[in-house]
Amino acid sequence: EVQLVESGGGLVQPGGSLRLSCAASGFTFSSYEMNWVRQAPGKGLEWVSYIRGGGTTMYYAESVKGRFTISRDNAKNILYLQMNSLRAEDTAVYYCARDSFVGSSFDYWGQGTLVTVSS
Amino acid sequence: SYVLTQPPSVSVAPGQTAKITCGGNNIGSRSAHWYQQKPGQAPVLVIYDDSDRPSGIPERFSGSNSGNTATLTISRVEAGDEADYYCQVWDSNSDHPGVFGTGTKVTVL
Repeated sequence: EVQLVESGGGLVQPGGSLRLSCAASGFTFSSYEMNWVRQAPGKGLEWVSYIRGGGTTMYYAESVKGRFTISRDNAKNILYLQMNSLRAEDTAVYYCARDSFVGSSFDYWGQGTLVTVSS
Repeated sequence: SYVLTQPPSVSVAPGQTAKITCGGNNIGSRSAHWYQQKPGQAPVLVIYDDSDRPSGIPERFSGSNSGNTATLTISRVEAGDEADYYCQVWDSNSDHPGVFGTGTKVTVL
């Protein structure tokens, strides 16, 4: 059974940093591209970042580029999102999502972890 | 950047058909995907590659994509279909390729 479990969320002050983790199981993690998607309270889904299976190619939303870094440890089956220079508008539930082999749809999602940026 | 526009809300009576549109420039040339999200839950993929259904998704969910509009159709709507629905494409020509639609709240009357 495919499972994605996020952790690392919490309350952080503006300008602070946080690292999110997504532990994957039930599939060959290194074979799959992975994404982070976020959802601000009461708002829609926003794609945040993507990483290829081997970790060599990454993409970012314009809103986080230069502040967030996606990475992965294929030996440990963990996806990461390092978030620096956090702003109030980064407050959201952050989901990790597996990229299917078809048209870059997201076929499995974690339950999400809440990040709150506030003083 | 690529923009996908959805109607904010759609209302439908039980047993009727709901159609949710997703407008984007020449979206018909891309693969469109659809997600269902119920309150407090993670999104669930209900349609991928314009019109394919993942295992476990009822046949009542179908999709189409042509020109500037992708459409998710829910036939014989049930109370349990009440949720937010999002379309999504991958804009491979962009440095910011992941794109979600604005979302549509489906209310079952």
